[in-house]
Amino acid sequence: EDQVTQSPEALRLQEGESSSLNCSYTVSGLRGLFWYRQDPGKGPEFLFTLYSAGEEKEKERLKATLTKKESFLHITAPKPEDSATYLCAVTAFQGAQKLVFGQGTRLTINP
Amino acid sequence: NAGVTQTPKFQVLKTGQSMTLQCAQDMNHNSMYWYRQDPGMGLRLIYYSASEGTTDKGEVPNGYNVSRLNKREFSLRLESAAPSQTSVYFCASNGWTSGNYEQYFGPGTRLTVT
Repeated sequence: EDQVTQSPEALRLQEGESSSLNCSYTVSGLRGLFWYRQDPGKGPEFLFTLYSAGEEKEKERLKATLTKKESFLHITAPKPEDSATYLCAVTAFQGAQKLVFGQGTRLTINP
Repeated sequence: NAGVTQTPKFQVLKTGQSMTLQCAQDMNHNSMYWYRQDPGMGLRLIYYSASEGTTDKGEVPNGYNVSRLNKREFSLRLESAAPSQTSVYFCASNGWTSGNYEQYFGPGTRLTVT
């Protein structure tokens, strides 16, 4: 059974204090790992897709990396507007992307 | 370009009532999905449609039915609502964009069953 575990459940940082969120996964034949941002009361917002170990992608203050067992979302010099829940998901399916989600990390950035 | 839209935004039902959640996407995507999100449980797939004319069960299909009306629209029906179906429901569509598969979500429907 495909599984995704995210840690920590919640993280509180000061503005400018860099950190990383972890996503550990078990999947039979990874076809894609996805990172989403979710603000309260809204739908998940797509951030990144990673396909193979060693791959990295960046967007503004966010950088996602992938190994054979886990992915990290690095947040560099975060701002209060980066506060959100970050979701990780995996799929073993090409094409029709049936995603299995982790429970998310709730990130709070204090000014 | 509205992306993925869902109606209604909020709904309160009594146990045993039925309703249909509507979803539409304007990105010409082939695949569409219905998820539910519950505290502590994360997002779980209810049903999906890989292409127009096909539907398949996801992780938690019991108590739900779906219809892929056309390429744009994918509806979720609760025939006899139960309190356990109180949740936030998200529709999503999936497409190939700039060398990546990307799955886009709608704003959600908050359903309460009393």
